Amino acid sequence: SQQGEEDPQALSIQEGENATMNCSYKTSINNLQWYRQNSGRGLVHLILIRSNEREKHSGRLRVTLDTSKKSSSLLITASRAADTASYFCATALYNKLIFGAGTRLAVHP
Amino acid sequence: GEEVAQTPKHLVRGEGQKAKLYCAPIKGHSYVFWYQQVLKNEFKFLISFQNENVFDETGMPKERFSAKCLPNSPCSLEIQATKLEDSAVYFCASSPRQYDNYGYTFGSGTRLTVV
Repeated sequence: SQQGEEDPQALSIQEGENATMNCSYKTSINNLQWYRQNSGRGLVHLILIRSNEREKHSGRLRVTLDTSKKSSSLLITASRAADTASYFCATALYNKLIFGAGTRLAVHP
Repeated sequence: GEEVAQTPKHLVRGEGQKAKLYCAPIKGHSYVFWYQQVLKNEFKFLISFQNENVFDETGMPKERFSAKCLPNSPCSLEIQATKLEDSAVYFCASSPRQYDNYGYTFGSGTRLTVV
């Protein structure tokens, strides 16, 4: 991987459950971003957390960042079938985004 | 417009042929990025532009890949003498400012198949 690891690689849950994905990275960062990719489509920006922030919320999304451990987590609460997609974290430094390998999330009705 | 437009959606080339991909960034966005995604896996950074100037080309396989962003024209990514390993989806993205805390807006990609 160009940057780090995402964990798990794949996640399968039932509608209504929470989904947690983790991301680790290797270098210093300006910010960390999470994106979603639906099958056959481009990336959609979900949320951005700055390097001096520890937690951020957006709707059903909660992101945490621990710069001392170089890790982040994305929590999707009350998941829906429409959340089925691949989720990628990306670290930003010098205006370049470096992506992790992604987590494939399947939410079953 | 408010979307990054990539053309064509699909491109098939025989090995050794040239491939040219186009990207129209969002109006007013100064930065354009090209990424390569192989087999739905991670996104490999290729090159970025600040307006028409190359900003970072550390990801470009320079011997066969080239890219341009000229004023009043779509940006382009060209692959000379394509190889089977170039088969991938190529994504273009744009963002308004450098360093700042903005997400990128991605296009829907061009799927290149080299046969």
